[in-house]
Amino acid sequence: GAVVSQHPSRVICKSGTSVKIECRSLDFQATTMFWYRQFPKQSLMLMATSNEGSKATYEQGVEKDKFLINHASLTLSTLTVTSAHPEDSSFYICSARRGGPTSGANVLTFGAGSRLTVL
Amino acid sequence: GQSLEQPSEVTAVEGAIVQINCTYQTSGFYGLSWYQQHDGGAPTFLSYNGLDGLEETGRFSSFLSRSDSYGYLLLQELQMKDSASYFCAVRDFSGGYNKLIFGAGTRLAVHP
Repeated sequence: GAVVSQHPSRVICKSGTSVKIECRSLDFQATTMFWYRQFPKQSLMLMATSNEGSKATYEQGVEKDKFLINHASLTLSTLTVTSAHPEDSSFYICSARRGGPTSGANVLTFGAGSRLTVL
Repeated sequence: GQSLEQPSEVTAVEGAIVQINCTYQTSGFYGLSWYQQHDGGAPTFLSYNGLDGLEETGRFSSFLSRSDSYGYLLLQELQMKDSASYFCAVRDFSGGYNKLIFGAGTRLAVHP
């Protein structure tokens, strides 16, 4: 089955520093990946859609310059939280779908998530 | 835009049956999905309904009524391990990308 690996699973950083989270599709090529953010006991909020070889599409209210997304290959997307602040502390989860940007598939495979704590 | 509503919490006992409802409003409908998430874990896909009716996968079933903009997830023979959050989700094609928008989630607590 489809496997998505996300790293690191937990990260603690100081305020003002940047943190990079990697998301890899291990056994399939993912031209499209999605980054979600989740606060405790709340829903998954879509942050952005990452497409290989092109700029990410950000959801309304998500700061592009703060959450940098790079999808340089068919198996890797990265999310960099720049100049992190305590309010950025959250659970960040990536997901991937086999197929192209308008694939009819409804199944997303999620990474295990990255819990970011900004001190 | 899309919006989904589902109950915030449901409690049940082992062996029982529980139904988690989901109502949605969408600008275009392309199917309803259900995901399960245990605390601290990743969401996992449970089922998908693109057409009206019932889809059964083992102990779990999902139902859709497009005319009512309504669906539900039915969990039978509940087990302790079913304690988790359950999310309904709809597809959104805005911006030219096929993405999933999730409901707020329903926390299911299964008791002995």
